[in-house]
Amino acid sequence: GEDVEQSLFLSVREGDSSVINCTYTDSSSTYLYWYKQEPGAGLQLLTYIFSNMDMKQDQRLTVLLNKKDKHLSLRIADTQTGDSAIYFCAESSNQAGTALIFGKGTTLSVSS
Amino acid sequence: DSGVTQTPKHLITATGQRVTLRCSPRSGDLSVYWYQQSLDQGLQFLIQYYNGEERAKGNILERFSAQQFPDLHSELNLSSLELGDSALYFCASSVTGRANEKLFFGSGTQLSVL
Repeated sequence: GEDVEQSLFLSVREGDSSVINCTYTDSSSTYLYWYKQEPGAGLQLLTYIFSNMDMKQDQRLTVLLNKKDKHLSLRIADTQTGDSAIYFCAESSNQAGTALIFGKGTTLSVSS
Repeated sequence: DSGVTQTPKHLITATGQRVTLRCSPRSGDLSVYWYQQSLDQGLQFLIQYYNGEERAKGNILERFSAQQFPDLHSELNLSSLELGDSALYFCASSVTGRANEKLFFGSGTQLSVL
């Protein structure tokens, strides 16, 4: 079956870089996504990467994709307390129509 | 603000009851998705509609049903509720519902079954 795996927790200090990792299973996924969920809010699309790219940079965010290992990572530079949230990795799935399949989320805690 | 509206924000009910959750997609979006978020299962895809027709089914229980109306709003009906149905239910929308489109999520409906 399909499964997207993420580590559950990450704790960093303000100003450090955060790296959130994800492994996915569907090699046919064309896009892979990172969503952010703040307390009491819905999911917000942070960034996405096309599967023929290795890297995408968007301000403080860098996405790295290793298609051979089906490994995706999100790096947040100069992490701020406002970055504390749950981060979800997601892939599109042929079995679920065009819906996204999400990992269980990584809770990022940023201390000052 | 994603433009996706969900009501109510919170719902408290008892086991055995039936509830209806409502979602209005972003203006111009034709496809609606329903997800259930719980601590143990994470975010589970339930069902997708496109322009009033069911397009894909995920892990949706038979006690649950949904529909999308001509004005494109959608409702998720949950019946014979059990304690384990307590969760955050999200609606998301996209323009055409094709693969690899971005999904925009509402703020969710928190359902508590007592």
